[in-house]
Amino acid sequence: AQSVTQPDIHITVSEGASLELRCNYSYGATPYLFWYVQSPGQGLQLLLKYFSGDTLVQGIKGFEAEFKRSQSSFNLRKPSVHWSDAAEYFCAVVARNNNDMRFGAGTRLTVKP
Amino acid sequence: GAGVSQSPRYKVAKRGQDVALRCDPISGHVSLFWYQQALGQGPEFLTYFQNEAQLDKSGLPSDRFFAERPEGSVSTLKIQRTQQEDSAVYLCASSLAASSGPDTQYFGPGTRLTVL
Repeated sequence: AQSVTQPDIHITVSEGASLELRCNYSYGATPYLFWYVQSPGQGLQLLLKYFSGDTLVQGIKGFEAEFKRSQSSFNLRKPSVHWSDAAEYFCAVVARNNNDMRFGAGTRLTVKP
Repeated sequence: GAGVSQSPRYKVAKRGQDVALRCDPISGHVSLFWYQQALGQGPEFLTYFQNEAQLDKSGLPSDRFFAERPEGSVSTLKIQRTQQEDSAVYLCASSLAASSGPDTQYFGPGTRLTVL
């Protein structure tokens, strides 16, 4: 069955520390891959997306993600976290043969001063 | 406005009432999507429109849920005879292209529905 998994429900990092949020997917063929961020009371904002080409994708706000086909993963990284990065992060996928976007359950990021 | 807007932002309904949630997509966007986000969960796909055509409604949880986009712009999600399990945030998104895939979906702020 097709699925998107974010193994970490909640992560706490210190401001200035590096960050990696995990995302794994289970699809027959490599889907389109996205990372969104959701701040309290706000809509979802796209951080970055991957559909082909270079497996290291650069996004907004200093985020990047690396697609690894062998691991069916699309992990999100940031070298130095800012307090304003505290939010909920969602990995999402769209299969190449349909229209519905499937989201992981999300990872809540807390940033310690 | 430049973004996707939704109204109302908050809705409280008594069980059994009908509700209507509105989405104004970005002008010119062909595709429109509705999602349901339960508390502490990721959004779940409900339905997809390409212009006025509802091409995919596989995510609608029951026949109490109905969506329309009669003129290919504004969309309304209607829930009849609301139940407590319908309590969630309903998100609308639009994209410029005529399909999903790699095109960016722009999300509205959502409507938080609480059914008492």
